[in-house]
Amino acid sequence: QVQLQESGPGLVKPSETLSLSCSVSGGSISGHYWSWIRQPPGKGLEWIGYIYYSGRTNYNPSLKSRVTISVDTSKNQFSLRLSSVTSADTAVYYCARGEPFLMFGDYTFWFDSWGQGTLVTVSS
Amino acid sequence: DIVMTQSPDSLAVSLGERATIHCKSSQSVFYTSSNNDYLAWYQQKPGQPPKLLISWASTRESGVPARFIGSGSGTAFTLTISSLQAEDVAVYYCQQYYTTPQTFGQGTKVEIK
Repeated sequence: QVQLQESGPGLVKPSETLSLSCSVSGGSISGHYWSWIRQPPGKGLEWIGYIYYSGRTNYNPSLKSRVTISVDTSKNQFSLRLSSVTSADTAVYYCARGEPFLMFGDYTFWFDSWGQGTLVTVSS
Repeated sequence: DIVMTQSPDSLAVSLGERATIHCKSSQSVFYTSSNNDYLAWYQQKPGQPPKLLISWASTRESGVPARFIGSGSGTAFTLTISSLQAEDVAVYYCQQYYTTPQTFGQGTKVEIK
């Protein structure tokens, strides 16, 4: 059973860059699709983007200009960078493994394994 | 983006009674080429990540109790908990994976009456 664990700063200042990592254990990062999903306090879920182990990515258009997801197969982990953060980016950030479906030229997913999540607060 | 709208926002049901959650999509998530609805349901308990319960609108994941029943097609879907148990207290989300970006409903909170 694959396990995922998010790590990174819990507090980020406005206008700075949020950086998180997700370590994958119990299985290889290779051959799978990995996503970041966030949940503002008391609110619903928003998919941020995905990365394939080869480095292929796609991002939610609502965040695309500020998001970078990268992968390090040697460390079995992938990472999220979100630039120019504001209080609206305060959320629990989850990493997750997605089951992929090629739909209309790109991949969609349901998510069958999740990390426990890490709360990132944007505040000065 | 496809907008997923759940109703009600919350409901309270007595133990052993039926709980019904509705999910509507702003466009059909039925793909004729595969004859499938690209709709999943998740359960999220306090302080935990979401757990995948149902995919393809009605297929339970391994280990999910049979009291969780998914139904519907096209734009209208239902998650029914046929006999509510105490451990079912949670927020439930629907999610479409028909097109990117995949999107979630706002969630329905299920409590014990």
